[in-house]
Amino acid sequence: QSVLTQPPSVSGAPGQSVTISCTGSSSNIGAGYAVHWYQQVPGRAPKLLIFGNTNRPSGVPDRFSGSKSATSASLAITGLQPEDEADYYCQSYDYMLSGSTAFGGGTKLTVL
Amino acid sequence: QVTLKESGPVLVKPTETLTLTCTVSGFSLNNPKLGVSWIRQPPGKALQWLAHIFSNDEKSYSASLKTRLRISRDTSKSQVVLTMTNTDPLDAGTYYCARVQRGGFPVVNYFDLWGQGTVVTVSP
Repeated sequence: QSVLTQPPSVSGAPGQSVTISCTGSSSNIGAGYAVHWYQQVPGRAPKLLIFGNTNRPSGVPDRFSGSKSATSASLAITGLQPEDEADYYCQSYDYMLSGSTAFGGGTKLTVL
Repeated sequence: QVTLKESGPVLVKPTETLTLTCTVSGFSLNNPKLGVSWIRQPPGKALQWLAHIFSNDEKSYSASLKTRLRISRDTSKSQVVLTMTNTDPLDAGTYYCARVQRGGFPVVNYFDLWGQGTVVTVSP
């Protein structure tokens, strides 16, 4: 059972937009800690997609955006492309956890 | 160029100790803003954070695996080593090391660079 809750799957057609949610609690997102997002293409290592709720590392297209409110966060992907098909994970700091690192259970994005 | 590379055995027997090494380049393990974590992924399952170590030798472990894990670093070799005792078939999966950006509230401890991963099988 992950500390951060994500939907198991989302899907969308090429060109459409999707949103992936990440729900936490008062010891992580609700305490003000930032949310970070990772993309994992099948067979590859995860890659940092969004850090600090809304910031994109260099090289990440602006089709990817993040937001945060209260005890949840969201990753939005616009203009879906076939190469966006991947697993997406949210992560945050949780002061109740040993080591303080919490991952979501991951969301499989299927581009129809 | 900043890289992390995992190495270790492909196969271990149940109850044996697993030793994994992460060799980093392009950054220093003495940088106070950075750390190294180990994260694993069982086949078909989600990411699971295991442990991290920082430049001041601060270490933390996953609560569920704390009694079986030990993380250490050798700055002269630019390596971070994770040992896991008493392995079980449930420990099989891909093990990643990742660089930790320590940050400060509210942006704390995120993983900006990952190694390619190393696959571990636990079987007699």
